[in-house]
Parts: sequence; structure tokens; C-alpha cells
Amino acid sequence: ETGVTQTPRHLVMGMTNKKSLKCEQHLGHNAMYWYKQSAKKPLELMFVYSLEERVENNSVPSRFSPECPNSSHLFLHLHTLQPEDSALYLCASSRNLDRVNTEAFFGQGTRLTVV
Amino acid sequence: TQLLEQSPQFLSIQEGENLTVYCNSSSVFSSLQWYRQEPGEGPVLLVTVVTGGEVKKLKRLTFQFGDARKDSSLHITAAQPGDTGLYLCAGAEGAQKLVFGQGTRLTINP
Repeated sequence: ETGVTQTPRHLVMGMTNKKSLKCEQHLGHNAMYWYKQSAKKPLELMFVYSLEERVENNSVPSRFSPECPNSSHLFLHLHTLQPEDSALYLCASSRNLDRVNTEAFFGQGTRLTVV
Repeated sequence: TQLLEQSPQFLSIQEGENLTVYCNSSSVFSSLQWYRQEPGEGPVLLVTVVTGGEVKKLKRLTFQFGDARKDSSLHITAAQPGDTGLYLCAGAEGAQKLVFGQGTRLTINP
């Protein structure tokens, strides 16, 4: 069983659809993250949660709505997305929000295509 | 926001050759990580360097953190096709986020 599991692996959705991405970590970590990876761009941090509380929201459009019901699960709710939102969405976790040891463990990602 | 520049962006070499990729910034990071990402997968952590001047070795991979903690390099000796992937460096910015470079896409040809 991998440390960080994301579902689904692939998702195609229309611009009027509502869908959710799921992330689950089995590492006992306290911090979880959503990143967006687009072609030819650096990984972009979207949201940070620590002990189920959102601690950072990097000016992400409201059509992306995160939810962290407990320290092991993280969701990203999607609605009325645009084609430019097509990307690989990566979930990650880390032990804590620690300045020196912010090592992230990533899931395999969800490849999202908005049509 | 601190920026990390990786170079080269693309590198294609023959099996058995040596290579070095670079990660540079004008800012100081408290630590720096290197990740490798294969197609269809998430990034996997290779190493974390913390101290200026630190050198870490992972089999044929040698990682160095610059003395001023603004830059880092990854050297691969006798590259193998299994080394193919996207190499990402990430610097710790504050207590809450990693800043990633855009990556070096490495292809090792048999």
C-alpha cells in the first residue's frame, strides 16, 4: 500500500460538471497539500492543511474548494472549471509544518482534463 | 516568493556518460530537496540537504548544497536508462511551503 493514494488517476469533466478528487495518506503525517502541475511550469502550491486546518490558500480561484475532514484525508472539490485548469493535480503530505524538514511525500496524481 | 531556476531544462545523453544539473536561486533556503518524477507518477524524494556546503551521495548520484544555501547541484555518474525522469529541486520557504523549480527532464539513451 503506497503512502499517499489519490483517486481517481484520470478524470475528464465538462465545464459545467462537479467532481471531487480524493487523497488519503497512511503515513501518520499532520500536514497535507494540493499542488497543480502544468506543462512547462513549476509545481504550484494550491492549499496547505495542518491538523485539518487550512493554513494557506495561494490565491486559488473559488472553483477549487478543498476539504480536510481529518488528518488522513484531503479532498479537492471542482466545479465550473475552465479548460486551462487541465493539469496533473498532486496531493502531498509531510510530517509537520517544519521549516527545515518540510519533506513532501506525493501521491501519483490525478490527471484532469476539462473539456 | 523565492524562485528556483533549474538548468538545463532538457538533457538527453547516452548511457554511461556523466551529467550535472543545477538549481539556482538568488534567495537563501533553509533546506533543499531533490525529487525525481517518472511519467504518470508523483515526485519521489531523493535527498534533503540542510547545511551549506553539504554533500550527499546516493549510489551514483551526488548532491551538493552551495555554501550560501542558494544553489544546489546533482551529479550523476555513469548514467543508466533507469535514471530517466524529471528531476525537481525544491527549497523550503518558511514553515509552510516548498518552492519548486521547473525541473530538468533527463533522458538516458541505451
